[in-house]
Amino acid sequence: DAKTTQPNSMESNEEEPVHLPCNHSTISGTDYIHWYRQLPSQGPEYVIHGLTSNVNNRMASLAIAEDRKSSTLILHRATLRDAAVYYCIRGNEKLTFGTGTRLTIIP
Amino acid sequence: DGGITQSPKYLFRKEGQNVTLSCEQNLNHDAMYWYRQDPGQGLRLIYYSQIVNDFQKGDIAEGYSVSREKKESFPLTVTSAQKNPTAFYLCASGRSYGQAGYTFGSGTRLTVV
Repeated sequence: DAKTTQPNSMESNEEEPVHLPCNHSTISGTDYIHWYRQLPSQGPEYVIHGLTSNVNNRMASLAIAEDRKSSTLILHRATLRDAAVYYCIRGNEKLTFGTGTRLTIIP
Repeated sequence: DGGITQSPKYLFRKEGQNVTLSCEQNLNHDAMYWYRQDPGQGLRLIYYSQIVNDFQKGDIAEGYSVSREKKESFPLTVTSAQKNPTAFYLCASGRSYGQAGYTFGSGTRLTVV
């Protein structure tokens, strides 16, 4: 199965770090791991992607397990604008989405 | 600025009619994708194309058709055979095989009246 597994929802306090987990136990060696987020009635927005090593950009960090069967998206200091549905995706030919995690930020 | 454009933003269709949704990109991306999203649900893959003049069925291709005659364009036709076409449709583009980030359009909301 090409889909990933994520918790349906998570909550976090504003200005706290957020760790969003994703399981992709059947990932192949050449599949990149992508994260996107989506606000209501908008197209998904690219957050970060990686293959084996941990990755950092201005939006977030991506921690990839050594066996690549799981990964964690880290938002270092959540703001209210980070409230969205976050999708973890195996980046291969097909680019199949799962159901994502709805992140709620508590002021 | 480079980007991906979907049009129209809102579309109304009578039952039994075919309708075509436009998706154009100027990012020089090889791969393009069409997704359907129903309220409160994730994205489901309809069709995808890795190269001009070639495309593959996704998970829910029945009742839909596509063409890829130009690298920049990947139109989606929702045919009368699609039983429940009312949904939010999203187009995306990227380099092949997921080696870089993908760019999504802002979507077309199709309503059957």
